[in-house]
Amino acid sequence: GAVVSQHPSWVICKSGTSVKIECRSLDFQATTMFWYRQFPKQSLMLMATSNEGSKATYEQGVEKDKFLINHASLTLSTLTVTSAHPEDSSFYICSARSRGGRPEAFFGQGTRLTVV
Amino acid sequence: KQEVTQIPAALSVPEGENLVLNCSFTDSAIYNLQWFRQDPGKGLTSLLLIQSSQREQTSGRLNASLDKSSGRSTLYIAASQPGDSATYLCAVKDKAAGNKLTFGGGTRVLVKP
Repeated sequence: GAVVSQHPSWVICKSGTSVKIECRSLDFQATTMFWYRQFPKQSLMLMATSNEGSKATYEQGVEKDKFLINHASLTLSTLTVTSAHPEDSSFYICSARSRGGRPEAFFGQGTRLTVV
Repeated sequence: KQEVTQIPAALSVPEGENLVLNCSFTDSAIYNLQWFRQDPGKGLTSLLLIQSSQREQTSGRLNASLDKSSGRSTLYIAASQPGDSATYLCAVKDKAAGNKLTFGGGTRVLVKP
């Protein structure tokens, strides 16, 4: 149990286009999901906290108009990178926490975004 | 603000040796501490979670200890295998940060056959 599925696992897009990444909790309900960014050989940097049915909370320095987060249901959150540029190329990982359940954080498999 | 440090940043051992990975944190008011494994280009796999009231957790060859007062956790992996090669991350959930996890920089482990 406690599986988090992230899609796609990798994507290549042209500069200026938008890319949507999905994060689904497959066998539990997640009122809160987290989006992270990871640069090569570095740790995870929290970008934003996504709460079901409300606006996401962004960390300092993260542009909310560039990284659009939607958490429309208890099992799905999406991150849209708008007008992507090469510097947005990175590894994006989502995490979900079970609603009233286990205390562990469960992570998706990550999405490798390359903007050319 | 919570800071989490993992030392060493990289570790190479021959197969069969025991691994000792260290994690330290600055704010001892934590809810829990979680150890993860990350393979290259992949997401994170949860290994062990220690609640603030616990001193250790065990799963198979893995044992994690927690000394909250000194702000330290140690992950022990017994009889290492080449398949244990990965990056190991620790993360704390502390009371000041609410639901958020603060991650350490990770320790890259290579177990040589």
